[in-house]
Amino acid sequence: DGGITQSPKYLFRKEGQNVTLSCEQNLNHDAMYWYRQDPGQGLRLIYYSQIVNDFQKGDIAEGYSVSREKKESFPLTVTSAQKNPTAFYLCASSFGLAETQYFGPGTRLLVL
Amino acid sequence: DQQVKQNSPSLSVQEGRISILNCDYTNSMFDYFLWYKKYPAEGPTFLISISSIKDKNEDGRFTVFLNKSAKHLSLHIVPSQPGDSAVYFCAARTSGTYKYIFGTGTRLKVLA
Repeated sequence: DGGITQSPKYLFRKEGQNVTLSCEQNLNHDAMYWYRQDPGQGLRLIYYSQIVNDFQKGDIAEGYSVSREKKESFPLTVTSAQKNPTAFYLCASSFGLAETQYFGPGTRLLVL
Repeated sequence: DQQVKQNSPSLSVQEGRISILNCDYTNSMFDYFLWYKKYPAEGPTFLISISSIKDKNEDGRFTVFLNKSAKHLSLHIVPSQPGDSAVYFCAARTSGTYKYIFGTGTRLKVLA
């Protein structure tokens, strides 16, 4: 069964803490993306990766970091520098950049 | 500046009737458009796409219409079913770019 998985479904962050959101895909897609969704807003691009060992900043990369060591995996770290991290985070993948993107189920991050 | 706008935050339709969801854009260079459907606490699911060389694309109960001169696209769902109740996002990109610009979404409620 091909698809994109994200874990955990809910994540709580304490003040000053870094947290990492997992994204795995078995669709053999080269490109992967991270988006953030806030209430009443469209999806905003945080980071994207066209290929393994390569990634680029999106529109709102400040306070976030990523890695792409494997084709299947694109974890997102929300650092303590991200002052407003509470949001719904969505991972997506596609065969190539600008191809149709397919989304995972999302992770909701809450700050304690 | 919101380049992709969904001006109706919500829409209610009776089961069996037509649902029409609208999306306006400002960038005349956009040439590929997508519609996604999203249930609460889940990732968006790709529904249907349209290229700017067409003015209509149909897939089962879903039809997307593109009016390039008006910079407007719409998604028609006929007949509407209670399971169609979700938030619908339109997204657009320009040729050769990686980045989709998403609208803010329209919440559709289909009443039984």
